[in-house]
Amino acid sequence: GAVVSQHPSWVICKSGTSVKIECRSLDFQATTMFWYRQFPKQSLMLMATSNEGSKATYEQGVEKDKFLINHASLTLSTLTVTSAHPEDSSFYICSAPNRGQYNNEQFFGPGTRLTVL
Amino acid sequence: AQSVTQPDIHITVSEGASLELRCNYSYGATPYLFWYVQSPGQGLQLLLKYFSGDTLVQGIKGFEAEFKRSQSSFNLRKPSVHWSDAAEYFCAVGATSDYKLSFGAGTTVTVRA
Repeated sequence: GAVVSQHPSWVICKSGTSVKIECRSLDFQATTMFWYRQFPKQSLMLMATSNEGSKATYEQGVEKDKFLINHASLTLSTLTVTSAHPEDSSFYICSAPNRGQYNNEQFFGPGTRLTVL
Repeated sequence: AQSVTQPDIHITVSEGASLELRCNYSYGATPYLFWYVQSPGQGLQLLLKYFSGDTLVQGIKGFEAEFKRSQSSFNLRKPSVHWSDAAEYFCAVGATSDYKLSFGAGTTVTVRA
């Protein structure tokens, strides 16, 4: 199957610090990955599209300088929350479409719970 | 731009009863449609998907969904729910051009004994 992992699964940090979240496609290559944010009891909101070899594309209202995305290889995308504040506390989920046998079906990581104190 | 509406925020069903979750979408072309389930604090698990072909789609865990183009709907059904089906359910529509997904607000399913 197609597996997407995220690391860490949860993180607690102090306000003002930066946090990096990794998203890896374990058994397929992903030139595109997506980052979502989910607040408690709410739906997933697409934050940005991560593109291997080029800049990420951000959705309207998402601060590019605050949420830095780097698609370092065909299997790794990272999201860095810079100068984190309590309002950034959320569940961050990544996904990647598998353009091979799965007809572009997206596979989701297990999510990263960020708590900013 | 695509969008999804899940009219029911919360549904409570008795164990063994049938379940139907509603989903309406808006998209200019033939959509890719998905149903996902999320347990508390967990990621998303794909229940089923529709890309083309047969409008009645079978998924995992005994779920099925029917694509009705005329009603712009993709409702999820299960004939007999189990206590383990208690979770959050999301309907999503995908663009055929850039693979982005738009999610509905979700429906929380509670199963009572």
